[in-house]
Amino acid sequence: AQSVTQLDSHVSVSEGTPVLLRCNYSSSYSPSLFWYVQHPNKGLQLLLKYTSAATLVKGINGFEAEFKKSETSFHLTKPSAHMSDAAEYFCVVTLYGGATNKLIFGTGTLLAVQP
Amino acid sequence: EAQVTQNPRYLITVTGKKLTVTCSQNMNHEYMSWYRQDPGLGLRQIYYSMNVEVTDKGDVPEGYKVSRKEKRNFPLILESPSPNQTSLYFCASSRGTKVETQYFGPGTRLTVL
Repeated sequence: AQSVTQLDSHVSVSEGTPVLLRCNYSSSYSPSLFWYVQHPNKGLQLLLKYTSAATLVKGINGFEAEFKKSETSFHLTKPSAHMSDAAEYFCVVTLYGGATNKLIFGTGTLLAVQP
Repeated sequence: EAQVTQNPRYLITVTGKKLTVTCSQNMNHEYMSWYRQDPGLGLRQIYYSMNVEVTDKGDVPEGYKVSRKEKRNFPLILESPSPNQTSLYFCASSRGTKVETQYFGPGTRLTVL
């Protein structure tokens, strides 16, 4: 069965320092994986997605994630945090089957950026 | 502008009073879905629709109804709301039934007293 685990519910970094948000997945198939971001009082926005092409995926706002099959991980990174990165981040895996696919959401990681 | 809209954005109601949350998309997407977001639980799917007049249950459908009479609209109906339906609700749409990228509405924060 497909599932996704976000290892940290809260992460706090200082502005200008690197960001690492951790995600592990479980999937019976070759998964599609996503990171979505949710800013306060906003809907979810797609940051990046992996769909079995290059294992290093670049997204918007300087974020990237690396698919590591051997570690079943899809961690999100950014070299230098900005105050505007403060938001909640969701790792998502696709559940395949039947007439439709389905997104399985992690429980979210709240990123705080300190000045 | 391509978007998913939801109304109302905020709603406070009382137990048992029927309510409808509207969702509309202007991207001609086939697939639409409703989620609820609760602290520590992420997003859980309530109902989804693969096309007009085709709807199916998600993971947490109890207490909710939906309809899909037109491609662009997918309202969520709570016939008799209860306090455990207090939550943040998101509507989403995507181009095909083989869901990849979903586009989310801004959310509706519902409080049931």
